[in-house]
Amino acid sequence: NAGVTQTPKFRVLKTGQSMTLLCAQDMNHEYMYWYRQDPGMGLRLIHYSVGEGTTAKGEVPDGYNVSRLKKQNFLLGLESAAPSQTSVYFCASSTIGFLGGRNTGELFFGEGSRLTVL
Amino acid sequence: GENVEQHPSTLSVQEGDSAVIKCTYSDSASNYFPWYKQELGKRPQLIIDIRSNVGEKKDQRIAVTLNKTAKHFSLHITETQPEDSAVYFCAASALPGGKLIFGQGTELSVKP
Repeated sequence: NAGVTQTPKFRVLKTGQSMTLLCAQDMNHEYMYWYRQDPGMGLRLIHYSVGEGTTAKGEVPDGYNVSRLKKQNFLLGLESAAPSQTSVYFCASSTIGFLGGRNTGELFFGEGSRLTVL
Repeated sequence: GENVEQHPSTLSVQEGDSAVIKCTYSDSASNYFPWYKQELGKRPQLIIDIRSNVGEKKDQRIAVTLNKTAKHFSLHITETQPEDSAVYFCAASALPGGKLIFGQGTELSVKP
């Protein structure tokens, strides 16, 4: 049981390049999220999904796109990377159902992906 | 949308002392308030949460309080230990498991 897995863990891009971050979860969770973490700014929500085929904007969606074609996967894309997108990106998943009779409400995070845009 | 403010941004205490971190939120529809701990280089992990129908919750050395009227909630850590050193985040959501809006984080340092 791997939980939430993010790939790649590290990436260096040049300004204008594109890339995709992949998040995979094996807990059958309905909800998935992408956050970015920057010093002094906490975790800011980029986009999220409440189920397969759905996506919604979070607090800082500009410059990013997402897709949830399969329930277990949530992709984050940068079409034209900018230095301001240098950050650590965290994927998370959760359920609003009941696990073992109790809704924990917990977000399960991946290990993070460190992206540097030069 | 929801906005969560967290204070202080850094907190240094002596081992054995208590630590208190405070958060305020803006959206009256928020009903679920978790706290996450993030050790250096690691992923955030849930340490305790509180729901709007409860005013206080305790788990060993940590406790959370919620004042829904004033829209603020706090984390209390007693008898701090060096392993409590980490960044702590408060968050708010309309329901457990729903999208979380996080505060800016508090870097807690416990000095032996």
